[in-house]
Amino acid sequence: TQLLEQSPQFLSIQEGENLTVYCNSSSVFSSLQWYRQEPGEGPVLLVTVVTGGEVKKLKRLTFQFGDARKDSSLHITAAQPGDTGLYLCAVRPYTGRRALTFGSGTRLQVQP
Amino acid sequence: GEEVAQTPKHLVRGEGQKAKLYCAPIKGHSYVFWYQQVLKNEFKFLISFQNENVFDETGMPKERFSAKCLPNSPCSLEIQATKLEDSAVYFCASSQGRGTDTQYFGPGTRLTVL
Repeated sequence: TQLLEQSPQFLSIQEGENLTVYCNSSSVFSSLQWYRQEPGEGPVLLVTVVTGGEVKKLKRLTFQFGDARKDSSLHITAAQPGDTGLYLCAVRPYTGRRALTFGSGTRLQVQP
Repeated sequence: GEEVAQTPKHLVRGEGQKAKLYCAPIKGHSYVFWYQQVLKNEFKFLISFQNENVFDETGMPKERFSAKCLPNSPCSLEIQATKLEDSAVYFCASSQGRGTDTQYFGPGTRLTVL
């Protein structure tokens, strides 16, 4: 069983549409991170959320950490082709663990 | 350097051959991590180092896989007697080990075992 379940797995939308990606778990985390990975590259950190209920905005991207710190969402407004990529949520599952555990990923394709 | 560097970019090996991958972390970073990405999505943690010491090797296959981070040398991940299922992209990441402890990832090495 995956620690972090992401949905949807794949998403193909037209430029200008809005979308939301979800990252869910039955475990509680002290923080959660979102990464974007483009083809042929390593993941790049977008944001870290720490407080339950926290909302962070990065231009057209809005990240929310669930009140119980078990889940998170990423909302993209007016998607652009440059948003195309693999979106991954990640956590450090327990104190003292520095390595990341990644979610299953959401592959987003934005058509011009 | 300002970025994590990984070499080679691509590596092709016949089943049973040895594969060795290299990683130069960002200068001043204390921690190095190796991850394996299979099927284009799934990341699996392999091993981490704090300077030249193994910090966490809970994800490391007991057989065939070994890794080192020696002073003044790139870190390395070696696979003895590769198998078809070792085909994956191997990512190295480094972090300062303090503050938000952000991990910075290299571009990866794509290993293909034929």
